[in-house]
Amino acid sequence: GAGVSQSPRYKVAKRGQDVALRCDPISGHVSLFWYQQALGQGPEFLTYFQNEAQLDKSGLPSDRFFAERPEGSVSTLKIQRTQQEDSAVYLCASSLKFERSYNEQFFGPGTRLTVL
Amino acid sequence: GQNIDQPTEMTATEGAIVQINCTYQTSGFNGLFWYQQHAGEAPTFLSYNVLDGLEEKGRFSSFLSRSKGYSYLLLKELQMKDSASYLCAVWAGRRALTFGSGTRLQVQP
Repeated sequence: GAGVSQSPRYKVAKRGQDVALRCDPISGHVSLFWYQQALGQGPEFLTYFQNEAQLDKSGLPSDRFFAERPEGSVSTLKIQRTQQEDSAVYLCASSLKFERSYNEQFFGPGTRLTVL
Repeated sequence: GQNIDQPTEMTATEGAIVQINCTYQTSGFNGLFWYQQHAGEAPTFLSYNVLDGLEEKGRFSSFLSRSKGYSYLLLKELQMKDSASYLCAVWAGRRALTFGSGTRLQVQP
């Protein structure tokens, strides 16, 4: 497809369960971002990759959150021992390359995670 | 840190004009984005401002004043399909965007 895709679209997890969320960026896009969006709020930054390098993970809320992009394309966000406060939509975005003057990000449809 | 403020909700009438304001405080500034987000969908890009002034794109225009830390999104000839959340986002310092909480616009017939 032409856009960013994410899977699954919906995930229900029991508290304490581990989950893995997948993001397929637009082909050729160097930069990849993960955001967390709570209901009624704007997206909040979690982590950023340039190719396979994770350059910024300052937004990850705890050490239960882990992200990887081993081959510089597909990325996985893993949440261990999920808690109710992890319930949110997790958005992935990609952009073509680092440009000092422009940084349009293309968003995927998100994965809605509900922790019971 | 960064702080972005925009109204929570707005209502307007089909065919009218609406202005959605955004104020921000950042350390460092590279540019300001506006995104549209329909319920349950991904944010989609509307506009990008890096210099002061007005950028016009069809029915949508965006204005920026860097000295005032202020932007607005202007939507003309409103249509029912414009009912959505409008997200103001600042690019400052790092690659990622910092988003406001969004303004939910309801267009009424």
